[in-house]
Amino acid sequence: KQEVTQIPAALSVPEGENLVLNCSFTDSAIYNLQWFRQDPGKGLTSLLLIQSSQREQTSGRLNASLDKSSGRSTLYIAASQPGDSATYLCAVSIKTSGSRLTFGEGTQLTVNP
Amino acid sequence: GAVVSQHPSWVICKSGTSVKIECRSLDFQATTMFWYRQFPKQSLMLMATSNEGSKATYEQGVEKDKFLINHASLTLSTLTVTSAHPEDSSFYICSARDPIPRWDNQETQYFGPGTRLLVL
Repeated sequence: KQEVTQIPAALSVPEGENLVLNCSFTDSAIYNLQWFRQDPGKGLTSLLLIQSSQREQTSGRLNASLDKSSGRSTLYIAASQPGDSATYLCAVSIKTSGSRLTFGEGTQLTVNP
Repeated sequence: GAVVSQHPSWVICKSGTSVKIECRSLDFQATTMFWYRQFPKQSLMLMATSNEGSKATYEQGVEKDKFLINHASLTLSTLTVTSAHPEDSSFYICSARDPIPRWDNQETQYFGPGTRLLVL
């Protein structure tokens, strides 16, 4: 059974700092991995999707890497801003499950002005 | 981009009543929709996979008679919480799978904004 773990559970940083969020998964036979953002009481916003054959994806100040063999992904946020404050979730889908996603418990990020 | 809507966004009900939540894909046809539940400060847990025209597939531990799922059309799936109790209070989120690859030749799931249920 696929399990997804995110570390740290919470992170508080001053504005402008670069930071890294970590995600690990137990079954390396993934189809893809996604990073989402969730604001309090809201739904999910997809940030980046990395196919199993890719090693990283970039969008603006965000960079996500994937090391399938070790079961790890990182989300790098450059020059953090208060507007980046949210919960960040990673989720994986495995080949035998179609598009079903297994989510980690998230990292709650607070960027202080 | 593709949009998925949920209705209602908020519902408060008395214990013992049934509540229906709708999930709609607005600009694509979704043969598969997923229903997730999220408790405070916890992650999303998949409840069931809803396939158009067939019975939903429920995850282990999810009571199918309590959480009725109907996927009667390619753009609408409904989740009915029957005889709701306070422990059913949660944030329910649906997602819809767009079978036509739009992003890097992969199918994409789009998430609804969620429905917050409070059972008194």
